[in-house]
Amino acid sequence: DTAVSQTPKYLVTQMGNDKSIKCEQNLGHDTMYWYKQDSKKFLKIMFSYNNKELIINETVPNRFSPKSPDKAHLNLHINSLELGDSAVYFCASSHGGQGGRNTGELFFGEGSRLTVL
Amino acid sequence: KNEVEQSPQNLTAQEGEFITINCSYSVGISALHWLQQHPGGGIVSLFMLSSGKKKHGRLIATINIQEKHSSLHITASHPRDSAVYICAVRPYTGNQFYFGTGTSLTVIP
Repeated sequence: DTAVSQTPKYLVTQMGNDKSIKCEQNLGHDTMYWYKQDSKKFLKIMFSYNNKELIINETVPNRFSPKSPDKAHLNLHINSLELGDSAVYFCASSHGGQGGRNTGELFFGEGSRLTVL
Repeated sequence: KNEVEQSPQNLTAQEGEFITINCSYSVGISALHWLQQHPGGGIVSLFMLSSGKKKHGRLIATINIQEKHSSLHITASHPRDSAVYICAVRPYTGNQFYFGTGTSLTVIP
């Protein structure tokens, strides 16, 4: 069973379109993340949800909107796609924690490679 | 300035060589993670450390909390070890992870 699964794995679309990437985890984690990986392989946090509540919202264009229907799912919707949105998007999950408590590993999905033409 | 610095950025080694990748961080952490990403592939967690040393097969990870430094060692390197290795830390507070810029390792047969 895949622990963190994201779909689709590949997405090729035209500028101006709207697209969604879905993510599901079956690990019972309470925290999920969306990361954007640039061409230099650097992972940049976009959003994080803890128990369906948005807790991290980095400087990301309003065209990106996360949705968490339950704590096992975190979807990413992107409106009016631009060329610069082309990247690999990774979903991840972990147990959230507070102050000094080692709360477990970070599990990643396989990534969704978005190409905007 | 990034909270997590890795070195080297790129590394080429001959098969069989002993490899070390370094990670330094600037925040108080509850855990440090070493991640591996093969070309075109997903990201997998190799180790999670909060102190001392861990070993898994030919991979060894160490951490020195006082010096805010960790190393990932690969013994008897093999071409299949060719990948990007990423160091990530989890600060004491919050749910954020901070990532290094990755070390791209190529092992030549």
